[in-house]
Amino acid sequence: EPEVTQTPSHQVTQMGQEVILRCVPISNHLYFYWYRQILGQKVEFLVSFYNNEISEKSEIFDDQFSVERPDGSNFTLKIRSTKLEDSAMYFCASRLGLDNEQFFGPGTRLTVL
Amino acid sequence: AQSVTQLDSQVPVFEEAPVELRCNYSSSVSVYLFWYVQYPNQGLQLLLKYLSGSTLVKGINGFEAEFNKSQTSFHLRKPSVHISDTAEYFCAVRPLRGGYQKVTFGTGTKLQVIP
Repeated sequence: EPEVTQTPSHQVTQMGQEVILRCVPISNHLYFYWYRQILGQKVEFLVSFYNNEISEKSEIFDDQFSVERPDGSNFTLKIRSTKLEDSAMYFCASRLGLDNEQFFGPGTRLTVL
Repeated sequence: AQSVTQLDSQVPVFEEAPVELRCNYSSSVSVYLFWYVQYPNQGLQLLLKYLSGSTLVKGINGFEAEFNKSQTSFHLRKPSVHISDTAEYFCAVRPLRGGYQKVTFGTGTKLQVIP
């Protein structure tokens, strides 16, 4: 069964460093999402991406964040200068169409020291 | 905008006992409803979903949920839990239409099954 994959599973970085979290959505899907879950808190929407552009973003998704679909398969989340409060589990998700189910990846745990 | 409330942050229950995890939501538009499960150190797995039709929805692993429109609730139930059900459970909603239909999650309920 096709699935969303994410790499790495765990990333440790120093405050102020740039990180790129990678996701491979399900191959024929058209809509892509990033969510995050700070430890002990709920899963929060960050951004949605369709047709090679951001379609919606939350107030969390400030100028330090960017997303890209550099080729036909990867979907990346970049955090330009990480802060301690960026430590969280980051989930990628994709869906075929707006009427279809959203599939989540296993997550990348980001730890900022 | 939508919001989801899961009042119970932790629910301990003995093995083979029944369990109910509560979920209430609010929304100005019609929504789809979901329950996701997250096992330790794993991602989110869809347990079940309500899109339309019968208000009693059956999902994987013997779970079921009932949609109650008047009470805006979507409680999750299992008649007899197993140790392997120990996990965190998230209730979620997304709009039927409009926008890019992001999923809004509740804060989660940790189910701890006691042997």
